[in-house]
Amino acid sequence: DQQVKQNSPSLSVQEGRISILNCDYTNSMFDYFLWYKKYPAEGPTFLISISSIKDKNEDGRFTVFLNKSAKHLSLHIVPSQPGDSAVYFCAASAISSNYKLTFGKGTLLTVNP
Amino acid sequence: ETGVTQSPTHLIKTRGQQVTLRCSSQSGHNTVSWYQQALGQGPQFIFQYYREEENGRGNFPPRFSGLQFPNYSSELNVNALELNDSALYLCASSLDGRVYEQYFGPGTRLTVT
Repeated sequence: DQQVKQNSPSLSVQEGRISILNCDYTNSMFDYFLWYKKYPAEGPTFLISISSIKDKNEDGRFTVFLNKSAKHLSLHIVPSQPGDSAVYFCAASAISSNYKLTFGKGTLLTVNP
Repeated sequence: ETGVTQSPTHLIKTRGQQVTLRCSSQSGHNTVSWYQQALGQGPQFIFQYYREEENGRGNFPPRFSGLQFPNYSSELNVNALELNDSALYLCASSLDGRVYEQYFGPGTRLTVT
């Protein structure tokens, strides 16, 4: 039973355009959501997070949107750069489980020059 | 730079052997979590420690055990290694007061033959 789903294994965009990465979850107890970026042979790098009491959080080129009624979140990267090419993981946590992270399977983003 | 380090980087063990993986986090990061990432999957939560006490465990058998030390270092021990224990093992730490944001180390790649 996968509680966090990233249904797109891969996404390809042109440099300068917007990248939109999607994530769905099933557990209504989740109250904190995070996006991580991972290069091969490295650990995940924290990008941006959002609390369930908000619907948007922005940090530079990265914006995360949360739609609680749809149990859906998305990461927008504008403008996309070739260095953004990596695997992006969506993760969710709940205070009731001491914020252990539940991850999706990841989406491979390729930004073409 | 997350300040989380792990050793060794790579390790090859034989089925049935035991292994110890190590992690060191920053001062003030009293919560440490361990994750297993199999190829093509997102990281899976193994367990979490806070101030040297285990305070959460995922769906892993007892042959996976851990320790946390007062100097912000921790260990993951795996006994009776099996072939499907081959994976990237990640350590993550959190700052007190911001437990919901976990910062990962580079991981240890374990291969069991």
